[in-house]
Amino acid sequence: TMLTQSPATLSLSPGERATLSCRASQNIYSFLAWYQQKPGQPPRLLISDAFNRAPGIPARFSGSGSGTDFTLTIASLEPEDFAVYYCQQRTGWPPVYTFGQGTRLEIK
Amino acid sequence: QLVESGGDLVQPGGSLRLSCTASGFAFSKYWMSWVRQAPGKGPEWVANIKYDGSETFYADIEKGQFTISRDNAQNSLYLQMSSLRVEDTGVYYCARGVVPRGSTVQYYFDLWGQGTLVAVSS
Repeated sequence: TMLTQSPATLSLSPGERATLSCRASQNIYSFLAWYQQKPGQPPRLLISDAFNRAPGIPARFSGSGSGTDFTLTIASLEPEDFAVYYCQQRTGWPPVYTFGQGTRLEIK
Repeated sequence: QLVESGGDLVQPGGSLRLSCTASGFAFSKYWMSWVRQAPGKGPEWVANIKYDGSETFYADIEKGQFTISRDNAQNSLYLQMSSLRVEDTGVYYCARGVVPRGSTVQYYFDLWGQGTLVAVSS
């Protein structure tokens, strides 16, 4: 299963709302996660099972969607939110784990 | 936390063994994975291992080339890499697995180490 993220780059200002998309090539139900990665750091889990926030993740981050279309929304951007975001899923047996190509969220 | 080690500069065709030491959680109760990231690219899952070591899974491109293992008594995860190619270059992360309620297999990665750099070049 392939994951396609859009847009590749999103330019917004602090305080604005960010909407990032991830499309799966086949139905993955709600088995999707979102990660944030800053330069020189490992990815950080934000959302699992499409909409469950990981412990410690601020409420401004929310996930939605099921089937093939998923969205990560950041309600009001903080300066520390500018980073690269990846979606990820697991399908099949034996299991295979795939990541999207990422969306770079940059300061406008 | 997770701390990786063992990354190095190696020639094509060479071998390397990566290690990951876990602390602060019950290592023996978690699936563990290796995930790599080539320079400027997204993460790529390499392999994972069930909490008791009874099952291992590999990305298609790694089968036969990499071997994942663990020592729960030492809270350690390993990746033995052989026949290394230039395209294996990247940061290799050790990551803890998330098993959703009602499932018996890992779906996500909730704790990552800082990574160890593997550079394959002549």
